[in-house]
Amino acid sequence: GENVEQHPSTLSVQEGDSAVIKCTYSDSASNYFPWYKQELGKRPQLIIDIRSNVGEKKDQRIAVTLNKTAKHFSLHITETQPEDSAVYFCAASKAGNTPLVFGKGTRLSVIA
Amino acid sequence: ETGVTQSPTHLIKTRGQQVTLRCSSQSGHNTVSWYQQALGQGPQFIFQYYREEENGRGNFPPRFSGLQFPNYSSELNVNALELDDSALYLCASSWGASTGELFFGEGSRLTVL
Repeated sequence: GENVEQHPSTLSVQEGDSAVIKCTYSDSASNYFPWYKQELGKRPQLIIDIRSNVGEKKDQRIAVTLNKTAKHFSLHITETQPEDSAVYFCAASKAGNTPLVFGKGTRLSVIA
Repeated sequence: ETGVTQSPTHLIKTRGQQVTLRCSSQSGHNTVSWYQQALGQGPQFIFQYYREEENGRGNFPPRFSGLQFPNYSSELNVNALELDDSALYLCASSWGASTGELFFGEGSRLTVL
């Protein structure tokens, strides 16, 4: 089955700097790659997703890139703010009745 | 539009007991997925229900079972609780069984002593 590896497990950045979180997946048939943000004690919430027919997607300060050949995808957050501090999870799944497989998460701390 | 709600939010059980967790899906959603999130880990897929039928199962033993009701709400039942069952149990709803955004509830935190 699918296996998703996520790095780093923790990341500290200064406010205003950029943050990059990377994930690799094992199943070349996977075609949907969402990123979820989970604040302490809160539910995971989708922040951005990408499907395998595109290589990059942006939404304001957040972008995701996908390299299907290398089977990895990355989350980029620019101009980080303290409210970006949270745990971020990447995930992958295939088309049809297949569940999302999550990475282990990255705890991002933005230092003011 | 109401979001995904779960109950109870916290509970404590002892080894060998049974527990039932409940989830109301977001209005308009017909699919419910259950995930187990151990401390410091990502959510792990338990199973999914689509139109009242189990529609996929992760690597969890049969003592983890579920139901989906005609109004698309769902229950997760765990029998013969073990210490390792201590975790946050997340319910997520979506429209249809195919890939797409999952809307998570706040979770039920289960502690097994």
